Amino acid sequence: GQQLNQSPQSMFIQEGEDVSMNCTSSSIFNTWLWYKQDPGEGPVLLIALYKAGELTSNGRLTAQFGTTRKDSFLNISASIPSDVGIYFCAGLRTGNQFYFGTGTSLTVIP
Amino acid sequence: DGGITQSPKYLFRKEGQNVTLSCEQNLNHDAMYWYRQDPGQGLRLIYYSQIVNDFQKGDIAEGYSVSREKKESFPLTVTSAQKNPTAFYLCASRPRGTDTQYFGPGTRLTVL
Repeated sequence: GQQLNQSPQSMFIQEGEDVSMNCTSSSIFNTWLWYKQDPGEGPVLLIALYKAGELTSNGRLTAQFGTTRKDSFLNISASIPSDVGIYFCAGLRTGNQFYFGTGTSLTVIP
Repeated sequence: DGGITQSPKYLFRKEGQNVTLSCEQNLNHDAMYWYRQDPGQGLRLIYYSQIVNDFQKGDIAEGYSVSREKKESFPLTVTSAQKNPTAFYLCASRPRGTDTQYFGPGTRLTVL
């Protein structure tokens, strides 16, 4: 099955810095989802995007649905220690199968 | 309290034994999914079910089986035919008419 290309694979940043990560695909998607996963836990849905060009915020998180419909971006502003975790994207074309990125591991240094 | 529950959180089994992982949801979601998560890889779909008594194979269904006798429940059986069963297993559900998916807390299966 297809997996989405997610980058960077890992990030080490100072508390207060902004973070950017992205997800790309060779295929067009109709929906992009962003999740955060803490170690040993299930992923938690952060943001859902449904339309090309859409920009959606959730607190300090902002995500965008790329205009080509083949990519999506997640930004975290003013990072804090509890932002630590693995962030991954998911895409849905049509039908029922979601495709997932391999994740970006974020470490925030106080 | 609404949500998706998976039990147990940790499961240990001897090689050659079948084991069943539980997934229950009281969200009234129609579709349910099982994924496997391995380090450094994205989630891989094992099985999904859109309605009761119907389910479809995902990308890595070999060695697994499921049932969907009730809307709320979608148990996954890891059989002895699964060559490398040690992994973190995640159940998810999807509300009708939406393109979002919500996950349970996961079960870590270790086969000794």
